[in-house]
This record gives sequence, C-alpha cells and structure tokens, in this order.
Amino acid sequence: SQQGEEDPQALSIQEGENATMNCSYKTSINNLQWYRQNSGRGLVHLILIRSNEREKHSGRLRVTLDTSKKSSSLLITASRAADTASYFCATVQLGAQKLVFGQGTRLTINP
Amino acid sequence: GAVVSQHPSWVICKSGTSVKIECRSLDFQATTMFWYRQFPKQSLMLMATSNEGSKATYEQGVEKDKFLINHASLTLSTLTVTSAHPEDSSFYICSASSGQSSYNEQFFGPGTRLTVL
Repeated sequence: SQQGEEDPQALSIQEGENATMNCSYKTSINNLQWYRQNSGRGLVHLILIRSNEREKHSGRLRVTLDTSKKSSSLLITASRAADTASYFCATVQLGAQKLVFGQGTRLTINP
Repeated sequence: GAVVSQHPSWVICKSGTSVKIECRSLDFQATTMFWYRQFPKQSLMLMATSNEGSKATYEQGVEKDKFLINHASLTLSTLTVTSAHPEDSSFYICSASSGQSSYNEQFFGPGTRLTVL
C-alpha cells in the first residue's frame, strides 16, 4: 500500500527559482529515495538518504530527512526548464526489500 | 553500469489476448526483480517481487493468474498479462536489484505502455 504522502501535488514556478517538495511516511525506514520521471518515461534515481543521515547534497539537489517527524524534503535550486517532471519519494522499510512510493509532485518550470 | 531494459516499449493489443513484457538487466545479475504498474498521473504501485528461480510474491489485490511472472535467469524476468482487458491498459515498469547493496538499490527500466483495445 502507498505509505508516502507528498505535497504539493503540483508546483509551478519560474525558471531560476527554487522548488521545494515534501514527503511524509508512516513507518520506520532503512532509507528514503527521490526519483524523477519525465512524462511517459521511466524513473531516474536522484538521491538516496539513509535513516541515520539528516541532509544530503547532489549538485543542485538538497535532501533533508527528519525521522522524528517521518518526513523528507527535496530542494531544487536555480530551477531550469529541463527540471519539469514528476518527482517521487520512495521509502525502504526496515527489513524489507521493496520500495513504497509517494503520490508524487508534478513540477513545472516556466521559462 | 546498472542498466535495465524493457521490451517492448509500447504495445497495443485486442481484448482477450495475452501480452508478454520482458525486463533485462544488461550489465549485472539481478537476484530480485520488481514489477510496478502506473496509471496516468498516478504513482507507481508494486505488483510483485520475483527472486530468480522461485515463485513471485504478489502484492495484495494483484491476481497472480492474470499477471504471470517468470524470473528464470539472473538477467531476465517476464510479465505476461493474460486475457488482457481495457482496464489493464497502463504503464508497466520493472526494476532490478543485484542484492549486493546494503540499501537494496533498484535500477528501473524505461517502462512499457500497454493499451488494450
């Protein structure tokens, strides 16, 4: 079952602005991952953050994890039109193999 | 590295026919493969988990006799949608894991769009 909730469901901003997406989950996790999906395409793995990590950076991406609140955020700085896509968080529960995906955020970057 | 392919990338079939989708790990051995379904503007829903050489484990609500999964080798898993109906039209995505990462990292295929007329 889906355990992740993401907000906002849709986000539209101007190119150059920062975009922040949030993800909440319900159970204890081993790690949390963020993925990007362009329309009608497969998933691209962006970043993985372990349960004992609080923040991670990768290029223009910054991910935070608050296990006490069971939430994570993805920040994309200096957005570009090419960042337009759907973004999903996914969690791996303790002792499990499978990924449980959130509902996703549809991000639109306006040129 | 860690490339996963799917074939076909899209397929259109008539209602009542069966469709087979292949998922291949091209440069690593996948001990575990996962099959997901994604309806338009929705998230990915896990259908089943398959380990090489054993029967797949299906998620609740997924009919195992309708969605046949075979994982006969460490580089290939197939999903067969039997007696397909229009409501089976969806985007099917597979992923593969080598089992060597402590985080069970999954590598995703590009997806297969199934349209049942």
